[in-house]
Amino acid sequence: KAGVTQTPRYLIKTRGQQVTLSCSPISGHRSVSWYQQTPGQGLQFLFEYFSETQRNKGNFPGRFSGRQFSNSRSEMNVSTLELGDSALYLCASSFGTANYEQYFGPGTRLTVT
Amino acid sequence: AQTVTQSQPEMSVQEAETVTLSCTYDTSESDYYLFWYKQPPSRQMILVIRQEAYKQQNATENRFSVNFQKAAKSFSLKISDSQLGDAAMYFCAYMAGNNRKLIWGLGTSLAVNP
Repeated sequence: KAGVTQTPRYLIKTRGQQVTLSCSPISGHRSVSWYQQTPGQGLQFLFEYFSETQRNKGNFPGRFSGRQFSNSRSEMNVSTLELGDSALYLCASSFGTANYEQYFGPGTRLTVT
Repeated sequence: AQTVTQSQPEMSVQEAETVTLSCTYDTSESDYYLFWYKQPPSRQMILVIRQEAYKQQNATENRFSVNFQKAAKSFSLKISDSQLGDAAMYFCAYMAGNNRKLIWGLGTSLAVNP
């Protein structure tokens, strides 16, 4: 069974631009969660989508948004990029029901200059 | 608010020896789950072991086992017969039963010496 895939793996953007990251979950998984990992703040939860609906949201500004498609693939968008948005963005998938284990993709490394 | 604390930023162990990584958490919930994840230099986050709060028995996965002390809110990870491939960042994480949000500790960097 294929694992969680994330594209692109690396991205360099300029301050003020916007970016879209993509995540394809493990087949059969309906929940996708996004996390931001930085050296200063560690791992922080962004949001979770289940069956195309946002089910949970972390404490991030409205510049961070996401969506989920009918095939469970998810995208995360960050608008008006700031230098502090430079991070590793991790996507995790799970069945989203009684089975709560989350399996992670390789991440997207975003650098904002 | 729930918090997870890993008090050991760095640890080292000799190959074939045993090492224990510490984790404490704070919550007022009665239904929750605890996890240990491993993040090697490749940055791929790998689930090592999980523990349901309602289970008294400590979870075990091959060379990895936990010591879950619910009253003390402690959840340590023991790695037996350490191997070079165990070298990685280890994160302790908490999830309340009523949501899917993982709350993370800051991690422990484990070095395995040959």
